[in-house]
Amino acid sequence: NAGVTQTPKFQVLKTGQSMTLQCAQDMNHNSMYWYRQDPGMGLRLIYYSASEGTTDKGEVPNGYNVSRLNKREFSLRLESAAPSQTSVYFCASRSSGLAGVGYQETQYFGPGTRLLVL
Amino acid sequence: AQTVTQSQPEMSVQEAETVTLSCTYDTSESNYYLFWYKQPPSRQMILVIRQEAYKQQNATENRFSVNFQKAAKSFSLKISDSQLGDTAMYFCAFMKQVSYNNNDMRFGAGTRLTVKP
Repeated sequence: NAGVTQTPKFQVLKTGQSMTLQCAQDMNHNSMYWYRQDPGMGLRLIYYSASEGTTDKGEVPNGYNVSRLNKREFSLRLESAAPSQTSVYFCASRSSGLAGVGYQETQYFGPGTRLLVL
Repeated sequence: AQTVTQSQPEMSVQEAETVTLSCTYDTSESNYYLFWYKQPPSRQMILVIRQEAYKQQNATENRFSVNFQKAAKSFSLKISDSQLGDTAMYFCAFMKQVSYNNNDMRFGAGTRLTVKP
């Protein structure tokens, strides 16, 4: 079971270049997320997708676009990279299941993509 | 908006001893989930333990347990019999319980734990 996969693992860009970060999950989850992680700031939500065909902004969406290609895949695009976007990017998907009273919910994370913008 | 605060940027513990990591949060929600994630040097986020707010019983997973104080909005993680492999960043996280459209999982800034031999 691969879980959540991300490509690439590491990327160096020059200011103004564009690129797409890929994410895929094989757990049949409806919801998928993109986070960025910066030193001393934990993880911050960039965009999320509650289901195939829908996307919504999170806490820090500026400079990014997303695409929910199908249920498995959720990509993050930087149209014109800036040094402030140097970060580690995590994709996640969310499970939810009825267990006894109420729902049990957990997010599963990919291994991350390190992006350096020069 | 929900906020999560981890007041201990760094901690250390001797191997085989017990350590407690602190987390407080602020929310007006009554139903939610709390998590502790571990991030080793590989940077992968690994779920350690989960607590549902509607449950009064504290969650336990092997050597890991939590002290969940809902009224105080406190959610601490206790690691017993610490092992060298427990060395990592630990993140506390809050997620609202929404039946379908869930856009809000907030993380603390993290606590770097070092287990010393």
